[in-house]
Amino acid sequence: DTGVSQDPRHKITKRGQNVTFRCDPISEHNRLYWYRQTLGQGPEFLTYFQNEAQLEKSRLLSDRFSAERPKGSFSTLEIQRTEQGDSAMYLCASSSPLGGNEQFFGPGTRLTVL
Amino acid sequence: GENVEQHPSTLSVQEGDSAVIKCTYSDSASNYFPWYKQELGKRPQLIIDIRSNVGEKKDQRIAVTLNKTAKHFSLHITETQPEDSAVYFCAASYFGNEKLTFGTGTRLTIIP
Repeated sequence: DTGVSQDPRHKITKRGQNVTFRCDPISEHNRLYWYRQTLGQGPEFLTYFQNEAQLEKSRLLSDRFSAERPKGSFSTLEIQRTEQGDSAMYLCASSSPLGGNEQFFGPGTRLTVL
Repeated sequence: GENVEQHPSTLSVQEGDSAVIKCTYSDSASNYFPWYKQELGKRPQLIIDIRSNVGEKKDQRIAVTLNKTAKHFSLHITETQPEDSAVYFCAASYFGNEKLTFGTGTRLTIIP
């Protein structure tokens, strides 16, 4: 499978616990994005990497959220001290300037905070 | 920042008829406008996009039109089929700031 992959697909956690999600982009894509989608809404931008550099973070991304892309390939998104309001689908997308910046999405990680 | 509004929120169309979904954007710097289709429980999939240097683009039964002056763009689906039933999202961005700002989505139902 050469598409964007995400792991895990589902995560159930208790309030206050830390969680980490992983995204593997399409191999030749140097740009990687994280979005959050709640039920009935469109995806909301969280953060964006070009290679290993984190170029932009949304104001939605509180201090409890951190994202990394250490080698410019896969990325991780960590949420510390989870809250019930963090329950959502976390989507990863990747793109390449050679591909006209079209963003291809992964299947998402559905987080449920109890 | 960019704000994208999308209408209608729900749309029911008889099979074989056409469907039109409209979006407006606020940032005149936006120059890339993709449309995504999302089926229940699945990832958003790009179905068509348009850049600001063209006014219309077609791909088989799907077309998108862009009016830069009015800052609105529309998705047109002709000869609708049951498999067109899904939630459709419009989005906007501009080169140099590739984050996508999405609309709130349109749930399209094709009635057999």
